Amino acid sequence: DQQVKQNSPSLSVQEGRISILNCDYTNSMFDYFLWYKKYPAEGPTFLISISSIKDKNEDGRFTVFLNKSAKHLSLHIVPSQPGDSAVYFCATLSNFGNEKLTFGTGTRLTIIP
Amino acid sequence: DTGVSQNPRHKITKRGQNVTFRCDPISEHNRLYWYRQTLGQGPEFLTYFQNEAQLEKSRLLSDRFSAERPKGSFSTLEIQRTEQGDSAMYLCASRPDVVLTEAFFGQGTRLTVV
Repeated sequence: DQQVKQNSPSLSVQEGRISILNCDYTNSMFDYFLWYKKYPAEGPTFLISISSIKDKNEDGRFTVFLNKSAKHLSLHIVPSQPGDSAVYFCATLSNFGNEKLTFGTGTRLTIIP
Repeated sequence: DTGVSQNPRHKITKRGQNVTFRCDPISEHNRLYWYRQTLGQGPEFLTYFQNEAQLEKSRLLSDRFSAERPKGSFSTLEIQRTEQGDSAMYLCASRPDVVLTEAFFGQGTRLTVV
């Protein structure tokens, strides 16, 4: 049972335009949502997060939006840069149990120069 | 402190051999996690330590897998009698003992079983 879904395995965006990556989750008990970026042969790197009590968090070019009623979050990158080309994973965290991260399957973002 | 460190970065082993991986977390982090990632998938949870106590194990962790964190600092993950299906990236992450914060990952150990 996939609790966190990223339905787009890949996305291509022109440099300078906005990249929008989407994520859906099924468990309303999730309290915290994160985005990680991963380059080949490296571990995931934390990018940005949002608590369930907020609906938006912004950090520079990166903004995460949370729609709790739809159980949906998105990551906006603007303007997109070639260095943003990577695989992006959304992840969720619950305040229950051992707070382990549950990851989606990832979206490969390619920024076209 | 330069972050979470994993060794080795790459390991090629013959089927049936035992392998051991090491993870050194960020020094003040009490919580340590092991994940496995295969091609096209997100990282999948394997096991979790709080200090030296192993508090949770995934069903993915068969009895050929064992993990330890003897002094609450570094951790080891051992796979006995490796199988080709064990080929994957093994990731270690650590977090401080603070509610709802991000985990920091190491660079992973890429295991190839031939």
